[in-house]
Amino acid sequence: DAEITQSPRHKITETGRQVTLACHQTWNHNNMFWYRQDLGHGLRLIHYSYGVQDTNKGEVSDGYSVSRSNTEDLPLTLESAASSQTSVYFCASSGGRSNNEQFFGPGTRLTVL
Amino acid sequence: RKEVEQDPGPFNVPEGATVAFNCTYSNSASQSFFWYRQDCRKEPKLLMSVYSSGNEDGRFTAQLNRASQYISLLIRDSKLSDSATYLCVVLDYKLSFGAGTTVTVRA
Repeated sequence: DAEITQSPRHKITETGRQVTLACHQTWNHNNMFWYRQDLGHGLRLIHYSYGVQDTNKGEVSDGYSVSRSNTEDLPLTLESAASSQTSVYFCASSGGRSNNEQFFGPGTRLTVL
Repeated sequence: RKEVEQDPGPFNVPEGATVAFNCTYSNSASQSFFWYRQDCRKEPKLLMSVYSSGNEDGRFTAQLNRASQYISLLIRDSKLSDSATYLCVVLDYKLSFGAGTTVTVRA
């Protein structure tokens, strides 16, 4: 069955370190998204991609970067982790039009000390 | 003002009860609307899309009021398994998620 996976599921790191969160989907979806979820906030869009070599900034992109070298993967990099980036990160993908259902990965819980 | 606002709840209801809650959105040009369900510490999953004419899916009914810019979700004959956080999602040029309404169904 097609799926979307994230790794690691849990990560503890220190302030200033570079961290990369992996997202891999086997749906063959063109669209991929990274969100963060914090208490009291909805899911907030960090970066998104509509296809290979395409990346776009979301509403909370500062301090994060992504690259899309193939259809299946959209890794999220925190260039220099900050305590404010402690959060739960969800990757999602969708096919076709932007209003199609998004399928979410299981999430990565990141703690920055 | 947040793009999508929801009453966080929690709504605590007994099994078999009906529970309903709303979500307001700020952009009158929003095109599509959805309800997602999120269980504790799990990923969100699509519950249902919301159509202009309103729609039902089993015990769940969704309504859209464009004039007042809100959508609603009603759950009839609540089950214990309905306990979750319900996320209101609105599409304009991107998906905007509400912070969620928590529903707890008790035996």
